[in-house]
Amino acid sequence: DAGITQSPRYKITETGRQVTLMCHQTWSHSYMFWYRQDLGHGLRLIYYSAAADITDKGEVPDGYVVSRSKTENFPLTLESATRSQTSVYFCASSPNYGYTFGSGTRLTVV
Amino acid sequence: KQEVTQIPAALSVPEGENLVLNCSFTDSAIYNLQWFRQDPGKGLTSLLLIQSSQREQTSGRLNASLDKSSGRSTLYIAASQPGDSATYLCAVSDNQGGKLIFGQGTELSVKP
Repeated sequence: DAGITQSPRYKITETGRQVTLMCHQTWSHSYMFWYRQDLGHGLRLIYYSAAADITDKGEVPDGYVVSRSKTENFPLTLESATRSQTSVYFCASSPNYGYTFGSGTRLTVV
Repeated sequence: KQEVTQIPAALSVPEGENLVLNCSFTDSAIYNLQWFRQDPGKGLTSLLLIQSSQREQTSGRLNASLDKSSGRSTLYIAASQPGDSATYLCAVSDNQGGKLIFGQGTELSVKP
């Protein structure tokens, strides 16, 4: 089925561990994005990508790493998880206008 | 720096009312504006997309307007239903494929 999928849906990890959130889209959209959503802060952009092998920082990139070796995949890695990274993470894609979001990953860092 | 504001932050109405949600943005040089709906604990569902050259878009009971010169958009919901209860988010992009800047959302509750 066409769409954008995120995995895992829920994740609990310990402080200091590395964790990777996956995002896969089936449309071959050029643009992909990672947002985090927190109470009181709304949705904030972490990283985005205009094409394979092209990525750029958003508003809150510290502590995160992204890669995009294939157009359809855009994984987000927390190098050493901290409690402040407990959040809901959304991936999105766009052809050049209009955005579609995944269902989100709820990450808890304990 | 583009900033997006949504008013009111929360709204409670009886079923059947027509209502308007407001969105304002500080930089009128936008590429497009998109309205989303988010149910509690869920992802974002796109409702309407208005490109910068357009003035409005309609889908069923929803109508979104855009006035770039004044930096405003409104989402009109006709004949509201309890199933419309959700948080409504407005977001703007300033270029093709560019990042979305979101407002804080309006939490809508429609009482039966």
